[in-house]
Amino acid sequence: EIVLTQSPGTLSLSPGERATLSCRASQSFRNTYIAWYQQQRGQAPRLLIYDTSNRATGTPARFSGSGSGTVFTLSISRVEPEDFAVYYCQHYGGSPLYSFGQGTKLEVK
Amino acid sequence: QITLKESGPTLVKPTQTLTLTCTFSGFSLSSPGVAVGWIRQPPGKALEWLGLIYWDDDKRYTPSLKNRLTISKATSHSQVVLTMTNMEPEDTGSYFCVHRPQVTTLQHFDYWGQGTLVTVSS
Repeated sequence: EIVLTQSPGTLSLSPGERATLSCRASQSFRNTYIAWYQQQRGQAPRLLIYDTSNRATGTPARFSGSGSGTVFTLSISRVEPEDFAVYYCQHYGGSPLYSFGQGTKLEVK
Repeated sequence: QITLKESGPTLVKPTQTLTLTCTFSGFSLSSPGVAVGWIRQPPGKALEWLGLIYWDDDKRYTPSLKNRLTISKATSHSQVVLTMTNMEPEDTGSYFCVHRPQVTTLQHFDYWGQGTLVTVSS
């Protein structure tokens, strides 16, 4: 079973700062099936990044994804007020077939 | 434009069976590669993938709940049904219906329903 561990649990930043969110897998895998989702309070998650580094339709260019092996990163170059939310990473290919991290909350400092 | 919407009871009693329906539009579950899944989220907690049904009626379930879950499709009515037996208070949460892209090398969920909150309580 692949377990995804996200860090930090909470990230406190001011608008305009850079955000770096981490997703660490319990074992290395060869595929690039890492996706990132943003969830605003009371809403369904929204796809941001797929295949580790591809921005989904409508994802602003300030969001970027990277990583390989066991460590994956979601970066926000300059945090905007609408970016404060909870972020989840997701992997495909282990057991269970799809797994999610526990989430990172990006909050206003 | 792809849309999905969940419907079903908001309150179920312990030991009862939950039945949720996902009604979708903008795609056909008969088209090769298409899949529709279910994901749930307890209040204040993380997302949990429950299962997926493919265009060819193949199904996959999360191992921990496999014995309690059934996903089926009613293609002619663009609906997917989730049933979960023996509901417990720990099953309380929001249940989301999701679309997986048709291209089978893309393994993420690009469209989500708004979710439906299910409470398990006597």
